[in-house]
Amino acid sequence: QVQLQQSGPGLVKTSETLSLTCTVSGGSINSFYWSWIRQSAGKGLEWIGRVYSSGITNYIPSLESRLTMSLDTSKTQVSLRLKSVTAADTAVYYCATAGAGGAFDIWGPGTVVTVSS
Amino acid sequence: DIQMTQSPSTLSASVGDRVTITCRASQSISIWLAWYQQKPGKAPKLLMYKASSLESGVPSRFTGSGSGTEFTLTISSLQPDDFATYFCQQYSNYLVSFGGGTKVEMK
Repeated sequence: QVQLQQSGPGLVKTSETLSLTCTVSGGSINSFYWSWIRQSAGKGLEWIGRVYSSGITNYIPSLESRLTMSLDTSKTQVSLRLKSVTAADTAVYYCATAGAGGAFDIWGPGTVVTVSS
Repeated sequence: DIQMTQSPSTLSASVGDRVTITCRASQSISIWLAWYQQKPGKAPKLLMYKASSLESGVPSRFTGSGSGTEFTLTISSLQPDDFATYFCQQYSNYLVSFGGGTKVEMK
């Protein structure tokens, strides 16, 4: 059974780069595609992008210029890098993957990220 | 982009009540809709996929229906564990999007 564990700093300074990692266990990183979803305090969920096992990525247009997602198959890790962060990027960031039904059936526990000067 | 609109944003109900949440898409998404339950401090949990398919392990009091642009999630008899926030999500388009959420609170 696939499980996701997340890691990364909880505090990032304004204008710097946010880097998060999602470590996959119990399954092959090549068998799925991997998404990142964020949630601002008291607000809804925002899907921000996905990376396929092939390395192909899809990002939401509003973040495309600042966002990079990648896979490290040797470490079974999925990575997110968001550069030039502002307070608007403060959120809980989740990694997730979709099952055969197409919906997100496996989620990481989330990483609380605060952007502050 | 496909916009997802949920209603109501807050719903007050009692244990045993039948509860219905609506989700509307700004364009047709066929049956590519999922429902999630989220409790404070936790990741969302998948309840339904393909509009009406129940995720394994989810109680049968949850049902989903709809296609095209209008969808509903119904809880047939609200249980204490069901007080939470519910989100719909479309995955028809490669740019996934979520509804704004419906908080089910105790009356």
